[in-house]
Amino acid sequence: GEEVAQTPKHLVRGEGQKAKLYCAPIKGHSYVFWYQQVLKNEFKFLISFQNENVFDETGMPKERFSAKCLPNSPCSLEIQATKLEDSAVYFCASSQSLYVRNEQFFGPGTRLTVL
Amino acid sequence: AQTVTQSQPEMSVQEAETVTLSCTYDTSESDYYLFWYKQPPSRQMILVIRQEAYKQQNATENRFSVNFQKAAKSFSLKISDSQLGDAAMYFCAYKAANTGTASKLTFGTGTRLQVTL
Repeated sequence: GEEVAQTPKHLVRGEGQKAKLYCAPIKGHSYVFWYQQVLKNEFKFLISFQNENVFDETGMPKERFSAKCLPNSPCSLEIQATKLEDSAVYFCASSQSLYVRNEQFFGPGTRLTVL
Repeated sequence: AQTVTQSQPEMSVQEAETVTLSCTYDTSESDYYLFWYKQPPSRQMILVIRQEAYKQQNATENRFSVNFQKAAKSFSLKISDSQLGDAAMYFCAYKAANTGTASKLTFGTGTRLQVTL
């Protein structure tokens, strides 16, 4: 598609439950990025992919967070055993290449609320 | 590690007036890119303007322009002829020019801009 699509728009989970977020990058874009925006508006980089390969995972809390980008499927970000501090808006972005003229296009975000 | 600082949590401007949002950053890299993103209440991230560090000329996009001071590591955004639709959160972001792990965006904490009549 012409836009980055993210589903669901909102997700509510009880503490300890699993949450799974999806992202469909723009068609033809090879790179996918996940960012977490907490309620104080701060952005945190989580992970990036080049096609189905992890490119940079330096921001991922590896104990409970995992992500995948499989061929012909939306990318996914999964949080096992959610905690209250996981409440945030999760943005997916895609780019055609890493060079700046090919900017990162952001999806509308998924708001995760952990109760 | 690179850091981006926006020291103005909130700013206010009257319609049709000019406002400047501040951003400073810290990096040991010589080549990098800087961005301003707008985030309205819908939460959609919209790229406003970009600047390549190797370019001395300040970037401009219609009513938006930047003042890029590389030695001072400063990158301010000027909005001229402010409109009600400019009201939003504005984020300054940094990206190193080399590929690899430096391809992510590092954001500042944002400045909320109010536009009054």
